[in-house]
Amino acid sequence: EADIYQTPRYLVIGTGKKITLECSQTMGHDKMYWYQQDPGMELHLIHYSYGVNSTEKGDLSSESTVSRIRTEHFPLTLESARPSHTSQYLCASSAVLAPEQYFGPGTRLTVT
Amino acid sequence: SQQGEEDPQALSIQEGENATMNCSYKTSINNLQWYRQNSGRGLVHLILIRSNEREKHSGRLRVTLDTSKKSSSLLITASRAADTASYFCATDAKSNFNKFYFGSGTKLNVKP
Repeated sequence: EADIYQTPRYLVIGTGKKITLECSQTMGHDKMYWYQQDPGMELHLIHYSYGVNSTEKGDLSSESTVSRIRTEHFPLTLESARPSHTSQYLCASSAVLAPEQYFGPGTRLTVT
Repeated sequence: SQQGEEDPQALSIQEGENATMNCSYKTSINNLQWYRQNSGRGLVHLILIRSNEREKHSGRLRVTLDTSKKSSSLLITASRAADTASYFCATDAKSNFNKFYFGSGTKLNVKP
């Protein structure tokens, strides 16, 4: 069954560490997205990609970076984690001509 | 900003009752979507309505769209305890259909 995966599901790290949140999808979708969501709050788009080698920043200023070397893989990297990065990070994908997004289970990040 | 605003922020009803939640947005759209999120996990797509549609049904869900008022409503009929979740509307923008904007959600509690 086609799906979208995120690892790790939970992560607690110290300030200043470099981390990469993984996201992979098996649906062959060209479009992929990263959202940040605080508990009970709205989702904020931080990065998106139209396809391989194309990435764009979203509306929420973020100190993270992304890459899209393969269609199925869209990792997000924080070079130096800070307590303000504590949040849930949701990855999603969609097909080019279909706006419905499929979401992964999320990574809950805590920076101490 | 383009973000939708859901209303009410929280709704508590008895099983079997209908639940109605509303979404307003600010600029012209191509389509509007509703998603459900259980306990801070990933979002699940429920239904999409295009800007040239006024009403859509899917099982116990009924969505309406009024582009003149820039608003949409989601009706869940004969609610069940399993419908307890947060519900979000998401809009794109006429100028950029690749970006999606989510509201802050309506938290629905269906009491058995």
